[in-house]
Amino acid sequence: QKEVEQNSGPLSVPEGAIASLNCTYSDRGSQSFFWYRQYSGKSPELIMFIYSNGDKEDGRFTAQLNKASQYVSLLIRDSQPSDSATYLCAVRGSARQLTFGSGTQLTVLP
Amino acid sequence: NAGVTQTPKFQVLKTGQSMTLQCAQDMNHNSMYWYRQDPGMGLRLIYYSASEGTTDKGEVPNGYNVSRLNKREFSLRLESAAPSQTSVYFCASSGGLNHNEQFFGPGTRLTVL
Repeated sequence: QKEVEQNSGPLSVPEGAIASLNCTYSDRGSQSFFWYRQYSGKSPELIMFIYSNGDKEDGRFTAQLNKASQYVSLLIRDSQPSDSATYLCAVRGSARQLTFGSGTQLTVLP
Repeated sequence: NAGVTQTPKFQVLKTGQSMTLQCAQDMNHNSMYWYRQDPGMGLRLIYYSASEGTTDKGEVPNGYNVSRLNKREFSLRLESAAPSQTSVYFCASSGGLNHNEQFFGPGTRLTVL
């Protein structure tokens, strides 16, 4: 079992819709959770981080964490074509280093 | 303020050749990292340096060596390149007020023939 798993995608949503990206992790000692966005041919950039159970909102982005179920999700409201990218879930586990999922490719259709 | 810089951007090697990937950051960060990214496999940690003078192995260290030359610079060396090392290599750094955020360089695309 991979330590961090993401819904495989690719995911396509129409412009204006809500995109939902999911991630599960295996290390119960994990404390910090991150979502990175990576445009094709570019480096990853951090868009959200969450430490506590519940929701965290930042503009059109909402991160949701449920430690009991070991999942973290990212919702993108009012999706725009500029949101088309690969989204990487990263988890800081007991070993203190980040473990990345393999990513979900999102396409927002105009 | 350039952030994290990497050289070269592209490199083609023959099997058995050696090379060093260079990384520098100007954000006064303590921690630096080297990752490789392969299709469908996300980012995997090769080596990291929590502070100047220390280095530790990550998930996939075999075939690589690193040097934390000073606080700014962290290099990755391939002593004898293999086709399995064809990948995109990213350097990252973290530190400051939000030590959890890692800032990534632009990457080096390496092909080993």
